[in-house]
Amino acid sequence: GAGVSQSPSNKVTEKGKDVELRCDPISGHTALYWYRQSLGQGLEFLIYFQGNSAPDKSGLPSDRFSAERTGGSVSTLTIQRTQQEDSAVYLCASSSSSGGAGNEQFFGPGTRLTVL
Amino acid sequence: GNSVTQMEGPVTLSEEAFLTINCTYTATGYPSLFWYVQYPGEGLQLLLKATKADDKGSNKGFEATYRKETTSFHLEKGSVQVSDSAVYFCALSPTTSGTYKYIFGTGTRLKVLA
Repeated sequence: GAGVSQSPSNKVTEKGKDVELRCDPISGHTALYWYRQSLGQGLEFLIYFQGNSAPDKSGLPSDRFSAERTGGSVSTLTIQRTQQEDSAVYLCASSSSSGGAGNEQFFGPGTRLTVL
Repeated sequence: GNSVTQMEGPVTLSEEAFLTINCTYTATGYPSLFWYVQYPGEGLQLLLKATKADDKGSNKGFEATYRKETTSFHLEKGSVQVSDSAVYFCALSPTTSGTYKYIFGTGTRLKVLA
């Protein structure tokens, strides 16, 4: 079956513009995660969705960042008024349950965002 | 709080050399531990995992043992190949009820020379 897909694969934008990044998780996966991977850095947790529960937004770096997940499937990460420090690879992952021992996260290929 | 510390790279080895990438963690309770690998131009993929103390995860010749006494999960491979060149991430998943966020290390880049 299909894995996690993300679009676009690359996005170049000008400072101050808004961008939307899309994630299609694996069908049936109830948990969805967004991470940010800056050059030379590890993965920074941004936000987590689990089913119909309120998302955990504790990792969002500022109020310019928001995300939604429609119908428990596709998710969109929106960055408003982009800044150069937002340049990074944004990774989406999904898993089949909310957590617990040994649940594997399946990652998409990422969206590389460059803010000029 | 929960955290993962892994050795800084890059690590450069010759083909057939022995590989160790150190990973230590701090966590409450008994987390699950993972190694993910990111090949050039690709997304992260699970390499191996261990869900309880003394478990050994293994895959593709890589091994890691969950050591509770030393809070470590070091990645090893007896003979690396050029195709193992990638970035390796150690991660933990807390098992405390209500927590689900993976904590990732900063990644260790491995370069294997022919």
